[in-house]
Amino acid sequence: DAGVTQSPTHLIKTRGQQVTLRCSPKSGHDTVSWYQQALGQGPQFIFQYYEEEERQRGNFPDRFSGHQFPNYSSELNVNALLLGDSALYLCASSSSGPSANYGYTFGSGTRLTVV
Amino acid sequence: SQQGEEDPQALSIQEGENATMNCSYKTSINNLQWYRQNSGRGLVHLILIRSNEREKHSGRLRVTLDTSKKSSSLLITASRAADTASYFCATTADRGSTLGRLYFGRGTQLTVWP
Repeated sequence: DAGVTQSPTHLIKTRGQQVTLRCSPKSGHDTVSWYQQALGQGPQFIFQYYEEEERQRGNFPDRFSGHQFPNYSSELNVNALLLGDSALYLCASSSSGPSANYGYTFGSGTRLTVV
Repeated sequence: SQQGEEDPQALSIQEGENATMNCSYKTSINNLQWYRQNSGRGLVHLILIRSNEREKHSGRLRVTLDTSKKSSSLLITASRAADTASYFCATTADRGSTLGRLYFGRGTQLTVWP
């Protein structure tokens, strides 16, 4: 049973560029959340997708956008990259309904470096 | 802020000893979760404790929750070198059909020496 799969694992981009990160949730999960983790910090919530809609959003600018597909996979897009966007981006999936209280399954993350 | 805060920031112990980490938060919660992270990679879910629970066990892990003090503790008994990692507590106040937004602290870096 595959867990959460994220791609790519590492990425180097130049300031001002755009980036797309991808996530496939764990089998049976229908909810996907994205987190940004700066070095030495805890993860910060970006947004959550459920039923192909953004359900919640953290304190991130509109440069951060996302999408969820009918197969529950998700993309995170970041436009006009800044040096401060350099971080580990984590995708987490979970089930809705009664199974929701079993915690998230996280992927291994995408390490984004903006130069 | 709902963000949890772990204490201590760093903990260094010998194999076989017990490790205790604490977490404090500021607002009402639905549940509190503990995660482990090895070397800046993905987080692994360890245990979830609901707001109406006071203690929970899973293998060598014991978690307590005191909602009156807005605090939780994670005890790892008989620690092993493989337990070396960062440990995060995360809280959520959401009570909907989805698990909801998690608020993480900065974590405790645990080092277990052989």
